Amino acid sequence: SAVISQKPSRDICQRGTSLTIQCQVDSQVTMMFWYRQQPGQSLTLIATANQGSEATYESGFVIDKFPISRPNLTFSTLTVSNMSPEDSSIYLCSVLDEGGETQYFGPGTRLLVL
Amino acid sequence: AQSVAQPEDQVNVAEGNPLTVKCTYSVSGNPYLFWYVQYPNRGLQFLLKYITGDNLVKGSYGFEAEFNKSQTSFHLKKPSALVSDSALYFCAVRDEGYSTLTFGKGTMLLVSP
Repeated sequence: SAVISQKPSRDICQRGTSLTIQCQVDSQVTMMFWYRQQPGQSLTLIATANQGSEATYESGFVIDKFPISRPNLTFSTLTVSNMSPEDSSIYLCSVLDEGGETQYFGPGTRLLVL
Repeated sequence: AQSVAQPEDQVNVAEGNPLTVKCTYSVSGNPYLFWYVQYPNRGLQFLLKYITGDNLVKGSYGFEAEFNKSQTSFHLKKPSALVSDSALYFCAVRDEGYSTLTFGKGTMLLVSP
């Protein structure tokens, strides 16, 4: 399975600021995903990020708020822009394995917005 | 559309007893089914999956799950629970041919000594 790392692991931010989360994979993958897990909630897909194309956002998520970069097959970033306390969540990076069957997840970035 | 239901917010079991965490799903095509576990302050760890083949699938840490097409269920089971199994468990489904997973709301498993 792919080994996924995320930076930062956690952060405390002031409202109105932005935070960029990095996701690094130890192998080349075509499909990467960004999820949000609000406190006590399940996972919600923010967007799918494929290398060489614009990210595809799910309903309720927009590029201006959550811009995503995917410069190569092992790396992606998610930016949470103009943060408010409602953005306090765990943000998880995920990849689809080579066989196209199983998604693996990074350790998550725990964000608290004050 | 695809959806997953985990009817129990919490399951309590004594160490050494068998455990079951329930999951039902809805897809229009063939389901790809998954179980993940989340320990406190950790990301999601893949436990097991059903894609095709034998209805009983075995996964990590002694867990297994049974795919039941007629009942559209994929319950997670373990013959003998450990205190260290206490965690949040998520069932997820993906319709064959689609790339996105849909997660259930999660079930907290508490194993008492």
